[in-house]
Amino acid sequence: DQQVKQNSPSLSVQEGRISILNCDYTNSMFDYFLWYKKYPAEGPTFLISISSIKDKNEDGRFTVFLNKSAKHLSLHIVPSQPGDSAVYFCAATFGGTGTASKLTFGTGTRLQVTL
Amino acid sequence: GAVVSQHPSRVICKSGTSVKIECRSLDFQATTMFWYRQFPKQSLMLMATSNEGSKATYEQGVEKDKFLINHASLTLSTLTVTSAHPEDSSFYICSATPIGAGIQNSPLHFGNGTRLTVT
Repeated sequence: DQQVKQNSPSLSVQEGRISILNCDYTNSMFDYFLWYKKYPAEGPTFLISISSIKDKNEDGRFTVFLNKSAKHLSLHIVPSQPGDSAVYFCAATFGGTGTASKLTFGTGTRLQVTL
Repeated sequence: GAVVSQHPSRVICKSGTSVKIECRSLDFQATTMFWYRQFPKQSLMLMATSNEGSKATYEQGVEKDKFLINHASLTLSTLTVTSAHPEDSSFYICSATPIGAGIQNSPLHFGNGTRLTVT
């Protein structure tokens, strides 16, 4: 039962263009969402997050959009840079404002930014 | 920023032996740490929640007698893969959040993972 899904296993984008990575979830209890970036043989690195009370969060080149009714979120990277090439994981959790929360991860999308 | 150190980064062991993986929070204390496992080209799957001073909580389908977790201090959790078999070969990653920070104040910080190969 995959509660968090990333239906595109890979994405190729030209440098300077926008990268859009998508994520869908099924558990309506999720109230906090995160995006992580991962290089091979390394642990994930946190990128950006969004609470379910918002529909957009922006941090530099990274913007996350949340559509609660559709149970869908997306990560926009603009402009894309070659260093952005990595695997991106969407993650979700719930109920954790004061305690450590376990994350449910999507299957990942491999982004390749070409010159 | 919060740093999580994991050791070893890579280990090869023979079938039937046990392997211990350490996860340390270097500049913060954590009452809870999480252990994940990733198979090639797949998602990170939560194996267990490590609780300082008490028993770990295992996810469904994870054998607690095979994957022993000890969280003896606020900065160290260990995962021991007992009687390892080739099917245990995987990438194991730990994560932690500072005490009281909560996911919305401090997202989970991950170690760099341990690549286990059982021959």
